[in-house]
Amino acid sequence: GENVEQHPSTLSVQEGDSAVIKCTYSDSASNYFPWYKQELGKRPQLIIDIRSNVGEKKDQRIAVTLNKTAKHFSLHITETQPEDSAVYFCAATLNRDDKIIFGKGTRLHILP
Amino acid sequence: KAGVTQTPRYLIKTRGQQVTLSCSPISGHRSVSWYQQTPGQGLQFLFEYFSETQRNKGNFPGRFSGRQFSNSRSEMNVSTLELGDSALYLCASSPGGQGTDTQYFGPGTRLTVL
Repeated sequence: GENVEQHPSTLSVQEGDSAVIKCTYSDSASNYFPWYKQELGKRPQLIIDIRSNVGEKKDQRIAVTLNKTAKHFSLHITETQPEDSAVYFCAATLNRDDKIIFGKGTRLHILP
Repeated sequence: KAGVTQTPRYLIKTRGQQVTLSCSPISGHRSVSWYQQTPGQGLQFLFEYFSETQRNKGNFPGRFSGRQFSNSRSEMNVSTLELGDSALYLCASSPGGQGTDTQYFGPGTRLTVL
C-alpha cells in the first residue's frame, strides 16, 4: 500500500547551520509533495510544496528537492533560526484518488 | 475568512463510551479530512469527505466513522472508546478536494480516554 517514510525522527542543529529532512514514498503515481510545519501546541501549516514535474523549488531559506526516479524528496532549511524549531511533516498525494499520506514527522531542534 | 474550527477543544471520556467531534471548514471549502495525531505516529489519515460523501478512508477500525453535512461541516464519531484512542484529532479542509489543494488544519480536539 501507500507509504511515506521520513528521516530522521529527531534532528538537532546549531543555529545558523543547515537542516535536511528526507522522505521516500512507495507509489510512483504520487504527484504532489507538500511539507507542513507544526509548532508546539499549534496546528500544522503548509510551508512549501513541489509537484512531480519540478525537480527543485525554493522559498527564501527553505527549499525542496524531488527525485522521481529514486522516489524521494527532501526539505532543506538554510541559516536556521530559533523559530525553525518545530515538527516537520512531509506528505505525498496519489494522483488516482487524491489521497494524502503523511510521514511520521521530524522534530527539529535549533540549538543556541 | 475564518479558519477551520473544531469543537470541543478538549474531551475526557472513559473506556466504552462514545464521542462525537465537530469540524467547521473554511467557508467555501468542500473537502474535510480527519487525522489522528499521536506521539511517534505522526498524522494518520482517518477519512475524507467531499460533498457529503466519504471519498477516502484510512486503515482504522469501524468504530471510527464520520459524516459531512450539506454546509460542509463534518463530524467524527468514535464508539466503544479504548485507551489507545487518546490522541489529538485534527481536521483539515481544502477547497476542491483535489490532492494538490493545500490542507488547512483546525486546532484539533485533544481526546483523553481514561
